[in-house]
Amino acid sequence: GEDVEQSLFLSVREGDSSVINCTYTDSSSTYLYWYKQEPGAGLQLLTYIFSNMDMKQDQRLTVLLNKKDKHLSLRIADTQTGDSAIYFCAESGYTGRRALTFGSGTRLQVQP
Amino acid sequence: DGGITQSPKYLFRKEGQNVTLSCEQNLNHDAMYWYRQDPGQGLRLIYYSQIVNDFQKGDIAEGYSVSREKKESFPLTVTSAQKNPTAFYLCASSMTSKETQYFGPGTRLLVL
Repeated sequence: GEDVEQSLFLSVREGDSSVINCTYTDSSSTYLYWYKQEPGAGLQLLTYIFSNMDMKQDQRLTVLLNKKDKHLSLRIADTQTGDSAIYFCAESGYTGRRALTFGSGTRLQVQP
Repeated sequence: DGGITQSPKYLFRKEGQNVTLSCEQNLNHDAMYWYRQDPGQGLRLIYYSQIVNDFQKGDIAEGYSVSREKKESFPLTVTSAQKNPTAFYLCASSMTSKETQYFGPGTRLLVL
């Protein structure tokens, strides 16, 4: 079945760039998503990328997709303490799939 | 304001009791979903509904039931058959089952 994997924890200093990585197994994935979850809250959609794209940039966020290696990354430039949260990678498969498959989340800790 | 609301924020269940979690959306979305989140884990799909009066089991449906009598509402009942119900429950919706999912703020269920 489909599987999505992420590293569990990342610590950076304020002002540095953060890079959160994700690998997935479903080669038929059409969209790949990044969600942010703050403590006790729901998931906030950050950005997504269509599978025929290599890169997408949105202000401080850059998403890179290597479809050959099934590797997705999220880069946050000039990381702030407000970026501290859990970041989830998720993928949606081809027609017939009905929901997202999530990774277990990467906890980003930003140190002042 | 358009969005997804979940209530209550916290819910306590006694042994042998059924409890119902509410999820409402005013986004005019056809598809709705229930996910369960356990600490340190990603989200797992409980049930989903692509259209009113229709719903399908997800990966962990045992011990749960749902209904979809109105487009705006997708309540989840945690039955006494669910032996380990303590978790954070997240509801989501999307325009169709192939579109981006948006999440509610979640309900934390605790067992007394």
